[in-house]
Amino acid sequence: DTAVSQTPKYLVTQMGNDKSIKCEQNLGHDTMYWYKQDSKKFLKIMFSYNNKELIINETVPNRFSPKSPDKAHLNLHINSLELGDSAVYFCASSQGRLAGVGETQYFGPGTRLLVL
Amino acid sequence: AQTVTQSQPEMSVQEAETVTLSCTYDTSESDYYLFWYKQPPSRQMILVIRQEAYKQQNATENRFSVNFQKAAKSFSLKISDSQLGDAAMYFCAYYALGNEKLTFGTGTRLTIIP
Repeated sequence: DTAVSQTPKYLVTQMGNDKSIKCEQNLGHDTMYWYKQDSKKFLKIMFSYNNKELIINETVPNRFSPKSPDKAHLNLHINSLELGDSAVYFCASSQGRLAGVGETQYFGPGTRLLVL
Repeated sequence: AQTVTQSQPEMSVQEAETVTLSCTYDTSESDYYLFWYKQPPSRQMILVIRQEAYKQQNATENRFSVNFQKAAKSFSLKISDSQLGDAAMYFCAYYALGNEKLTFGTGTRLTIIP
């Protein structure tokens, strides 16, 4: 009965490759997020989708493209991977948009990406 | 811009003792929410406790409680009767009503000494 799941858990790849990380939530939430946690553990929002609509798009290189086929899924595709993309990527979800009242985010287990 | 500051990169506590983790934030908003998340070695981000700024009463969840000082913009987490399983990174986080983003602090690594 996993709430927010991500695949894969680990991803090791060469520079220049294209890779995807998948996220699914079974909580019935309307909003999903992608975060990047760097080597210093700093956690920063990248994207947010509400009912398949993009609502947050932080200053992220356009090599990163989120895709939300339905409100239970938010996938992250990364083109032309660079060394600096190595990090842990977290997916999260909340019932509604954070702009609403009393929302809490629930996080997936993270995907550790290592670019060689 | 809202910022969240955790001034203690690392803390340690003896098992069964009490420890307090500090968090301060900067905001001009009056209606906002504060959170503490725990990240154990498994890397999962786990919600520990949440506080609504409009509530004067400090939130508690079993051994976890907060000291919310709105005027001072301070939101510390107290862990009572520390257990080995409490060892983790702890992140303070904030968002203001109407803002779409959750802003995190830089984290405090808590070590529990047996």
